Amino acid sequence: ETVMTQSPATLSVSPGERATLSCRAAQSVSSNLAWYQQKPGQAPRLLIYSASTRATGIPARFGGSGSGTDFTLTISSLQSEDFAVYYCQQFNNWPYTFGQGTKLEIK
Amino acid sequence: QVQLQESGPGLVKPSETLSLTCTVSGGSISSYYWTWIRQSPGKGLEWIGYIHYSGSTNYNPSLKSRVTISVDTSNNQFSLKMSSLTAADTAVYYCARHPPGSPRFDPWGQGTLVTVSS
Repeated sequence: ETVMTQSPATLSVSPGERATLSCRAAQSVSSNLAWYQQKPGQAPRLLIYSASTRATGIPARFGGSGSGTDFTLTISSLQSEDFAVYYCQQFNNWPYTFGQGTKLEIK
Repeated sequence: QVQLQESGPGLVKPSETLSLTCTVSGGSISSYYWTWIRQSPGKGLEWIGYIHYSGSTNYNPSLKSRVTISVDTSNNQFSLKMSSLTAADTAVYYCARHPPGSPRFDPWGQGTLVTVSS
């Protein structure tokens, strides 16, 4: 299966600053990658799909980039509600697999 | 908008079979794939499998021997059965919609915690 590795495991950033989260695939997943946000006690929420397309209702401060094996989720100006865990998921190879998550915490 | 709701027992005994149902409201189950995912502290998020409304399925090979996903289009529901449960199957189980040809699961149900214990 395609192992997805996210870094860092924890990222401490101040509100208003920019956050950059990374996701690396062990083999190419083309652009078949999604990003999700999860808050405690809630289900994951889709943010980005096809590596760079924002899902409906997702603010423009969330941006995705990359293709092949290296992907980035960028949050341009962190709001208080953005502190959560973020997961990437690949859809290119069977079985679908998720990264282990990056916890974005307030600095 | 489309909403999904999981239902089923919260506690299952080891070696027994888990049965969960996902009810889709606010839209038709037709024209989409419908998927199950689970999340445990030890293994993180794990894709279990999906079913097309026509009935075709695809399962994670690591679980395939124990899993069956079925669909009931008349009631706008799909279901998961997982056999031979062990404590390692303790997790929050989610259902979600998977648009054909689109790399995303959206939306997700709220999830249901299943504990495997005697």
